[in-house]
Amino acid sequence: EDQVTQSPEALRLQEGESSSLNCSYTVSGLRGLFWYRQDPGKGPEFLFTLYSAGEEKEKERLKATLTKKESFLHITAPKPEDSATYLCAVLSGSSNTGKLIFGQGTTLQVKP
Amino acid sequence: EAQVTQNPRYLITVTGKKLTVTCSQNMNHEYMSWYRQDPGLGLRQIYYSMNVEVTDKGDVPEGYKVSRKEKRNFPLILESPSPNQTSLYFCASSNRQGGNTEAFFGQGTRLTVV
Repeated sequence: EDQVTQSPEALRLQEGESSSLNCSYTVSGLRGLFWYRQDPGKGPEFLFTLYSAGEEKEKERLKATLTKKESFLHITAPKPEDSATYLCAVLSGSSNTGKLIFGQGTTLQVKP
Repeated sequence: EAQVTQNPRYLITVTGKKLTVTCSQNMNHEYMSWYRQDPGLGLRQIYYSMNVEVTDKGDVPEGYKVSRKEKRNFPLILESPSPNQTSLYFCASSNRQGGNTEAFFGQGTRLTVV
């Protein structure tokens, strides 16, 4: 059964304290791995898509990487405005399906 | 402005009373989907649609129906709502799942079934 697990569930950082969020997955044929940011009371906001092991993408203080079993979201020198829940999702299976599986998310709090 | 619009944002209803949550996107996206979000369970996909008249089940389709008669609209129908369908619902669209995959989510519909 396809599965996505994120860790830790919650993370508290001081402003400027870099860290990483983990997303491990077991799927039958990965077609894409997605990272989203979700603020309280709002819909998820797209951050990155990764397709193959070794791929990396960056956006401001965020960098996403992908291996054959997991993805990391690295946060460099975070600021309080980076506080949010970060969601990981995978798309697997054949090209004629659109079944997306989300992890439970990591809630990040960055204190000034 | 590119957006996904859900209505209503909040809804309280009674068990068994049919309801529809509408979802509309203005980006000419092919792919649309519905999710529910529950504490401790995360986002779970209910139904998705790869294009007009093409829909398929996600992980938790029981108790829900969808239709895709037009590209821009993807309503979620609860024929006979039950309390276990109390949840926060999100609609999303993207150009092509697996291709240009920047997915846009609506603001959510908080449904309470009493």
